[in-house]
Amino acid sequence: EAGVAQSPRYKIIEKRQSVAFWCNPISGHATLYWYQQILGQGPKLLIQFQNNGVVDDSQLPKDRFSAERLKGVDSTLKIQPAKLEDSAVYLCASSLGTTQETQYFGPGTRLLVL
Amino acid sequence: AQSVTQLDSQVPVFEEAPVELRCNYSSSVSVYLFWYVQYPNQGLQLLLKYLSGSTLVESINGFEAEFNKSQTSFHLRKPSVHISDTAEYFCAVSLAVLSGGYNKLIFGAGTRLAVHP
Repeated sequence: EAGVAQSPRYKIIEKRQSVAFWCNPISGHATLYWYQQILGQGPKLLIQFQNNGVVDDSQLPKDRFSAERLKGVDSTLKIQPAKLEDSAVYLCASSLGTTQETQYFGPGTRLLVL
Repeated sequence: AQSVTQLDSQVPVFEEAPVELRCNYSSSVSVYLFWYVQYPNQGLQLLLKYLSGSTLVESINGFEAEFNKSQTSFHLRKPSVHISDTAEYFCAVSLAVLSGGYNKLIFGAGTRLAVHP
């Protein structure tokens, strides 16, 4: 069974530029998550989708971050404009449901904002 | 507010020695508990989880963790570590968001386990 796929693996941009990340979850997983992992910290949930609807986006900086999951399968996370403090690893995860099911993580996208 | 505290940011240990990685949480509702491991340049992988039943849970590679409700802890242990266990370990709590009918995973800051020969 294929795991969670993410691209790109690495991205370097200058501040005020825009960037987009892509995630393809495990087939059949209804729930998709985007996390931000800053160096030295644990992952922090940015947004959680159930199929193509948003379940939780309470910690998403909506003035610059946006995410969508059209058709309830793959998803994109966008940052526009990027700030220095957005430098982090962006992790995508998926699970069968929204309660106690195990979340399966992709390899992440490492973003450096200069 | 709910939180997860991993008391040690780094744990150095010699190969074949025992190790304990500590995790405490604060929550006013029932929780599910997880340990994830992150090897260098890889995503997080589930190591073990406690949902209900026996408070002692084990993984396939020799790790175990015990849920202690009175002390709100879920410490991870291994009696004899290998070089290959070198990684970052994250404790996480799945909290029920009652108003939304879903769970939210809250992670600790992580403990870097460094196993030396």
